[in-house]
Amino acid sequence: GQNIDQPTEMTATEGAIVQINCTYQTSGFNGLFWYQQHAGEAPTFLSYNVLDGLEEKGRFSSFLSRSKGYSYLLLKELQMKDSASYLCAVIDSNYQLIWGAGTKLIIKP
Amino acid sequence: DVKVTQSSRYLVKRTGEKVFLECVQDMDHENMFWYRQDPGLGLRLIYFSYDVKMKEKGDIPEGYSVSREKKERFSLILESASTNQTSMYLCASRPGTGVYNEQFFGPGTRLTVL
Repeated sequence: GQNIDQPTEMTATEGAIVQINCTYQTSGFNGLFWYQQHAGEAPTFLSYNVLDGLEEKGRFSSFLSRSKGYSYLLLKELQMKDSASYLCAVIDSNYQLIWGAGTKLIIKP
Repeated sequence: DVKVTQSSRYLVKRTGEKVFLECVQDMDHENMFWYRQDPGLGLRLIYFSYDVKMKEKGDIPEGYSVSREKKERFSLILESASTNQTSMYLCASRPGTGVYNEQFFGPGTRLTVL
């Protein structure tokens, strides 16, 4: 079966750095997305990785290792507004999007 | 500013009722999707459409149907609502140029079936 694993919940402190991991076992791989979803709101796109390595976008970076079936989202200089759920999703060999359950990130002052 | 809108944010229906959830996008996207989101589970695809009048079953189509009569509008229909269909329903759209493009989501409809 196809599976995407993310931690259910993480807590971090304002101003700190946090890494949210995502591991996947899918039939094939055609890319990985990260989305942010604030409570009661729509998910919004953060990043897309298809090649190994780190993609940086301001305070957010996303890393991919295809050989390990592993990605992480790195958030720096955390702000209270970063409190949200972070969803990992993988495009499989049939070009279907497989979603993880999401990681709820709680930021404390 | 791109936008996907859904007809209701909150909806309460009774078991056995026919329920219509409407989704409209203003980005001229070919692809539209209906998901449900439940605690502890990832987004699960109910149906998607890649063109007007075209529809494809997703992972959990049972108990649902869809309609896409116009490019901008994609409707989800619960033929006879049941309590296990209580959930958050999210609509999304994506341009037709590639699966690698991001999906744009609506704000969601939280449906409660009593």
